[in-house]
Amino acid sequence: EIVLTQSPATLSVSPGESATLSCRASQSVYSNLAWYQQKPGQAPRLLMYGVSTRATGFPARFAGSGSGTEFTLTISSLQSEDYAVYYCQQHNAWPLTFGGGTKVEIK
Amino acid sequence: EVEMLESGGGLVQPGGSLRLSCAASGFNFSTSAMHWVRQVPGKGLAWVSGISASGRNTYYPDSVKGRFAVSRDNSKNTLYLQMSSLRVEDAAVYYCAKGVSTLATINSFDPWGQGTLVTVSS
Repeated sequence: EIVLTQSPATLSVSPGESATLSCRASQSVYSNLAWYQQKPGQAPRLLMYGVSTRATGFPARFAGSGSGTEFTLTISSLQSEDYAVYYCQQHNAWPLTFGGGTKVEIK
Repeated sequence: EVEMLESGGGLVQPGGSLRLSCAASGFNFSTSAMHWVRQVPGKGLAWVSGISASGRNTYYPDSVKGRFAVSRDNSKNTLYLQMSSLRVEDAAVYYCAKGVSTLATINSFDPWGQGTLVTVSS
């Protein structure tokens, strides 16, 4: 099973600042990595797929990068609606797995 | 508009069974791989099962293999999850989710339903 480790668990960021979230895989997932955003009381929402392709509705301040085992989600100029929990997920091998999540909170 | 509506959650005793349903609309269900993902409230996400568009191929993590069975009825645009021998640790919100790619079952998920809560307790 591919283990995804996200860091940090919690990130405190002031509005307008940038946030950098990390996702590390225990073995290569190539470019088969997605990111999700989840707000309280809501279902997760696909944010990024294929490492760096933004899903519908997400602005360009969200950027994904990486390959193999190291991936980064960068949110530039954080807006109020960006405070949420972010999960990475690999779809390179069964079983599909998620990282433990990073909570982005207001500083 | 793509929509998925889960139902069938509720309270069940350990060792009991429950069947979840996910009614889909707004997309070509019969050409879409589908998945179930669960989340203990306040905790992370865990993939529970996947099924190919035709229904011929199913996939599970070891944690539920042999106890859960995913199926689909493409004539009714409905996905199912039959859960048996339920354990306390199976209690969670269960989401159905559509696979992003139509080329394979192994996938990322978009969109997700709103979820149905399963409680396992005596």
